[in-house]
Amino acid sequence: DIQMTQSPSSLSASVGDRVTIACRASQSINSCLNWYQQKPGKAPQLLIYAVSSLQSGVPSRFSGSGSGTDFTLTISSLQPEDFATYYCQQSYSIPITFGQGTRLEIK
Amino acid sequence: EVQLVESGGGLVQPGGSLRLSCAASGFTFSSYWMSWVRQAPGKGLEWVANIKQDGSEKYYVDSVKGRFSISRDNAENSLYLQMNSLRAEDTAMYYCARISWVTGTSRWYFDLWGRGTLVTVSS
Repeated sequence: DIQMTQSPSSLSASVGDRVTIACRASQSINSCLNWYQQKPGKAPQLLIYAVSSLQSGVPSRFSGSGSGTDFTLTISSLQPEDFATYYCQQSYSIPITFGQGTRLEIK
Repeated sequence: EVQLVESGGGLVQPGGSLRLSCAASGFTFSSYWMSWVRQAPGKGLEWVANIKQDGSEKYYVDSVKGRFSISRDNAENSLYLQMNSLRAEDTAMYYCARISWVTGTSRWYFDLWGRGTLVTVSS
């Protein structure tokens, strides 16, 4: 199984900050890497697919990058509605696996 | 409106069974792979199963193989998850999710999620 490891597990930041969340796969996943945002009590929502493609309707302050085994999600200027938990996910091989999540909290 | 609506969750005793349903609307259900993803209380996301458009291919996480069965009825625009021999560790919110592909590639993602249905396994 491919293990997905996110760092940090939690992060405190302020409105307007630039934030980066890392995701590392235990083996190469050929750009099959997606990012989701989940707010408390809500279903996850797709932010970024295939490493760097922005899902329709997602603000441009969100961006993704990386290759091979190392990937990042960047929020260029945090907004109040961005405080949530973020998950990376690989769709390269079965079983599909998610990172453990990064909880982004208000400082 | 494009949406997925899950139902069928509830409280069940260990060893019991439950059948979850997911009603799709607003899109051509038969054109999409579909999936179940679960989330234990306070925990992260765990993929459970995938099914191909015509039901000819199904994949499961090891922890549910032999106990859970994913199926679909394209005429009814519905996805199902039959869960047998339930265990306490199956307690979770179960989400139905649609799979979309990057055209011409093997890259895919969950682009539409339902609100989930809660399954609690407890005596």
